[in-house]
Amino acid sequence: AQSVTQLDSQVPVFEEAPVELRCNYSSSVSVYLFWYVQYPNQGLQLLLKYLSGSTLVKGINGFEAEFNKSQTSFHLRKPSVHISDTAEYFCAVKSQGGSEKLVFGKGTKLTVNP
Amino acid sequence: DGGITQSPKYLFRKEGQNVTLSCEQNLNHDAMYWYRQDPGQGLRLIYYSQIVNDFQKGDIAEGYSVSREKKESFPLTVTSAQKNPTAFYLCASSINRMNTGELFFGEGSRLTVL
Repeated sequence: AQSVTQLDSQVPVFEEAPVELRCNYSSSVSVYLFWYVQYPNQGLQLLLKYLSGSTLVKGINGFEAEFNKSQTSFHLRKPSVHISDTAEYFCAVKSQGGSEKLVFGKGTKLTVNP
Repeated sequence: DGGITQSPKYLFRKEGQNVTLSCEQNLNHDAMYWYRQDPGQGLRLIYYSQIVNDFQKGDIAEGYSVSREKKESFPLTVTSAQKNPTAFYLCASSINRMNTGELFFGEGSRLTVL
C-alpha cells in the first residue's frame, strides 16, 4: 500500500517570494504522482502529474515539481508566488499498472501575504 | 463543457434525517468516487464505482450508501447512522480505475447538521 506525507500543514510566504511545498511518499512499487490545488469552497483541480520520463514536471500557473526516486519525494515549487496562489495543495500517489486507489496527503495550506 | 456537477452546494440537515447528494458527469468516465473532506485530514474515500450497477466501500463507508444505476450518475446518501456527517463532500471521476489515476472533481457539497 502507498502512503503520502506532506511535511508542512501551513506555509505562509510573501508575494513574489519563492515557495516549496514538500511531499514524501512510500511505496513498494513504481508510482504515479500528482499535485492538486483547491481554492476555498471549491473542488480540486490537477496542477501537474508525473507518469514517467523527465523527473522535472511543469504544471499550470508556473508551478513545477521534481520526482526524486532515491528520496521518494515529489516537492512542488514556484519561483515567485502571487496572492492568487493562496489555496490548499494536495500531493497524491497511485501505484502503476494496478487498480489501487489514489492516496492523498493531508494537504498544505499556502497563504501568500502582500 | 464536460465536467462534474454536484448539487446542492450547501445543505442543512436535522439530526436523524437522511440526505442525498447528487453527482452527475458528462465526461463518459467509467469510474466515479465520493470523498469526504474535513479540515486537516485530507480526502478520505467513502465509496467508488467502476461500472454501472457495481460499487465498493472505501475507507469510511459506514453510515453512507450509494447507487450507480446510470453511467453518468453516482448519488451519495448520508444516513442517520453517520455519527458525524458535517463535512465537505467531493465527487470525482476517472476514465477507469486502471488508468494513471488522474481524477476530475466536482465543486463539492457542504453538509451541515443542525
